[in-house]
Amino acid sequence: GIQVEQSPPDLILQEGANSTLRCNFSDSVNNLQWFHQNPWGQLINLFYIPSGTKQNGRLSATTVATERYSLLYISSSQTTDSGVYFCAVLSPSGTYKYIFGTGTRLKVLA
Amino acid sequence: DGGITQSPKYLFRKEGQNVTLSCEQNLNHDAMYWYRQDPGQGLRLIYYSQIVNDFQKGDIAEGYSVSREKKESFPLTVTSAQKNPTAFYLCASSIDPETSDYEQYFGPGTRLTVT
Repeated sequence: GIQVEQSPPDLILQEGANSTLRCNFSDSVNNLQWFHQNPWGQLINLFYIPSGTKQNGRLSATTVATERYSLLYISSSQTTDSGVYFCAVLSPSGTYKYIFGTGTRLKVLA
Repeated sequence: DGGITQSPKYLFRKEGQNVTLSCEQNLNHDAMYWYRQDPGQGLRLIYYSQIVNDFQKGDIAEGYSVSREKKESFPLTVTSAQKNPTAFYLCASSIDPETSDYEQYFGPGTRLTVT
């Protein structure tokens, strides 16, 4: 089945710094999402981005489907950005299962 | 407000008891999902349902059961056969039949502790 890998696994930043999180996937996909899991466990939708580039405030994402990767950019990081970032793809097998990456744990220091 | 509700937020049970976690959505989504998350780990799929009265096992279905009698509801029962039931359980839904949008949305989760 399709494999989804995220890097780096852990990241510590000083407030105000920028960062790039990466999601690689092993097969062609038509759907890709980025989520932020906050310290209370809630998964918050950041981007639904099968291809192209989207921006939302300090966050932006780019998916290059032909090269099988997606990037999440966080600029001017804030302590509230701390948590775990997951990417997920819809399995190409037609089963409507989503395959999640193992996540990037981000800690932003004040 | 459209969304997914899970109840209760925290649940405590004694070993050997079955427990049912509730998940309701008013997004008119076709598909619903249950995931399990252990501390510091990622999400693992327990069961999913693409349509009413049909569901499929995910990667870790043993010791769990589900039903999908209504489009809006997808309850999960954690049975006494589940060896390590203490975990954070997340429900999700996706597939808007009107737009064919596959974006997945999550409920707030239920933390289950079994002692």
